[in-house]
Amino acid sequence: DAGVTQSPTHLIKTRGQQVTLRCSPKSGHDTVSWYQQALGQGPQFIFQYYEEEERQRGNFPDRFSGHQFPNYSSELNVNALLLGDSALYLCASSLTARQETQYFGPGTRLLVL
Amino acid sequence: GENVEQHPSTLSVQEGDSAVIKCTYSDSASNYFPWYKQELGKGPQLIIDIRSNVGEKKDQRIAVTLNKTAKHFSLHITETQPEDSAVYFCAASIGSNYQLIWGAGTKLIIKP
Repeated sequence: DAGVTQSPTHLIKTRGQQVTLRCSPKSGHDTVSWYQQALGQGPQFIFQYYEEEERQRGNFPDRFSGHQFPNYSSELNVNALLLGDSALYLCASSLTARQETQYFGPGTRLLVL
Repeated sequence: GENVEQHPSTLSVQEGDSAVIKCTYSDSASNYFPWYKQELGKGPQLIIDIRSNVGEKKDQRIAVTLNKTAKHFSLHITETQPEDSAVYFCAASIGSNYQLIWGAGTKLIIKP
């Protein structure tokens, strides 16, 4: 049973560029949440996707957007990258939007130069 | 806004001894409290969780206690082993879709 997978594992971008990160949820899960984890800190909630719609959003600017596909996989897009966007981006999946338990992928390490 | 405070930030214990990590949450409506273990270069791994209708839960060497009145919960690891070395995060749910608010993490070091 495949767990949550994310791609790419590492990424280097320059300020002002745009980036797309990808996530496939755990088999049988239909809800995906995205988190940003800065070095030495706990993850911060970006948004959650369920039934191909953004259901909840944390305190992140509109530069952060997402999408969920019919197969429940998801993308996180960040436009106009800033140095402060450098972080580990984590994807978590859960059985449904009302199921508490979240399983995390290994993350994508983004470095903005 | 809602927040979760976690202490200590670093905990060093002798192998075989017990470790305790404490968290305090601010939202009285929080009803789900997971603990995650994160090893270097990996994503967080759920190790135990507790819901607000339960005061204590145990899974082998790991236990979690919840005091709703005081709004705090704790992770207890007994008979610590070298593989327990990692960063541990507590979290509390907010909202109807279980958005998680996380603590800042505790780096647990097991001394041989």
